[in-house]
Amino acid sequence: EAQVTQNPRYLITVTGKKLTVTCSQNMNHEYMSWYRQDPGLGLRQIYYSMNVEVTDKGDVPEGYKVSRKEKRNFPLILESPSPNQTSLYFCASSLTGTNTEAFFGQGTRLTVV
Amino acid sequence: KQEVTQIPAALSVPEGENLVLNCSFTDSAIYNLQWFRQDPGKGLTSLLLIQSSQREQTSGRLNASLDKSSGRSTLYIAASQPGDSATYLCAVLNSGGYQKVTFGTGTKLQVIP
Repeated sequence: EAQVTQNPRYLITVTGKKLTVTCSQNMNHEYMSWYRQDPGLGLRQIYYSMNVEVTDKGDVPEGYKVSRKEKRNFPLILESPSPNQTSLYFCASSLTGTNTEAFFGQGTRLTVV
Repeated sequence: KQEVTQIPAALSVPEGENLVLNCSFTDSAIYNLQWFRQDPGKGLTSLLLIQSSQREQTSGRLNASLDKSSGRSTLYIAASQPGDSATYLCAVLNSGGYQKVTFGTGTKLQVIP
């Protein structure tokens, strides 16, 4: 089954403790991206990647890191999480960046205390 | 900076009505526009993708139009059903040297049986 898989689905952590949210797709998609969703602010793009070893900032990249060493994986790294990073996070992928539909993972609800 | 607005923020209609959801964007330099639905606690499901060169796309009871010059898209839902109740989001893939995605804040639809 074609899908985008995020792990974990739920995470509670403490301020400053490094964490990684994994994202994997099995559709051989080139374009992958991360979003956060907050009440009243909607979905905002954090980082995106147009292919292996090619990443770029979205609108809210501060406090986040990403890497794209393999085509299928695009982990989101929070090196020193803070409470303002409490949010619902989504990973998405599409075949190319310009003319194909995007597929989303089920989301990761992160709480930083 | 691209801004995407969806009006209304919430909509409640009786079952069977035809309805129109609106999406407007400020910068016409886009590759495509995509409509999604989001059910509570779930990820996003792609409904329709319109390329910047297209005027409309149809899938079943859904029809989406795009007028890039005026910065507007509409999602038409025919013969609404209670199962259509969800939040509907539009997103534009921006061009102009990068491939950022900008989402609208959504329209929460309730179809009353």
